[in-house]
Amino acid sequence: GEDVEQSLFLSVREGDSSVINCTYTDSSSTYLYWYKQEPGAGLQLLTYIFSNMDMKQDQRLTVLLNKKDKHLSLRIADTQTGDSAIYFCAEIAGGSYIPTFGRGTSLIVHP
Amino acid sequence: NAGVTQTPKFQVLKTGQSMTLQCAQDMNHNSMYWYRQDPGMGLRLIYYSASEGTTDKGEVPNGYNVSRLNKREFSLRLESAAPSQTSVYFCASSALNNEQFFGPGTRLTVL
Repeated sequence: GEDVEQSLFLSVREGDSSVINCTYTDSSSTYLYWYKQEPGAGLQLLTYIFSNMDMKQDQRLTVLLNKKDKHLSLRIADTQTGDSAIYFCAEIAGGSYIPTFGRGTSLIVHP
Repeated sequence: NAGVTQTPKFQVLKTGQSMTLQCAQDMNHNSMYWYRQDPGMGLRLIYYSASEGTTDKGEVPNGYNVSRLNKREFSLRLESAAPSQTSVYFCASSALNNEQFFGPGTRLTVL
């Protein structure tokens, strides 16, 4: 079945760039998403990319998609302490109602 | 526009007790979902409803039942709570591009 893999932890210094990586197995993925979960809250969509795109940029966020390697990354420029959260990668195949989520990457930003 | 609301926010049950978690969305979404989140396990789908009048099992449905009362509301029932059901429960609904909107969660402890 489908699988989405992420590393569990990432620690960066404030002001540096953060890169969170994700790999997936479903070659029929249509949409790929990045969600952010702050402590005690539900997940919120940060950004998404269609499978026919290679890159999407939105202010400090850059999403890169390598379809050949089934690899998705999220780059956060100028990382701030407010970016500390758990980041989930998710994918969904065309015609499906059910996204597959990774287990989440805990981003820790220290001064 | 409240988005996705969940009640209660916190609940403590004794083993064997029953309860219903309530969820409502005001975004006119067709699809709704119930997930549980446990440390290190990411999100696991319990049940989903692709549209009003339909419900389907997800990855971990045992011990749970659901009702799609109308387009807005999707409830999750624990008939006989067990300690293994201690978790954080999230309700979500999805838009046409399959972006998921999450509620704030219900933190359930079963003693």
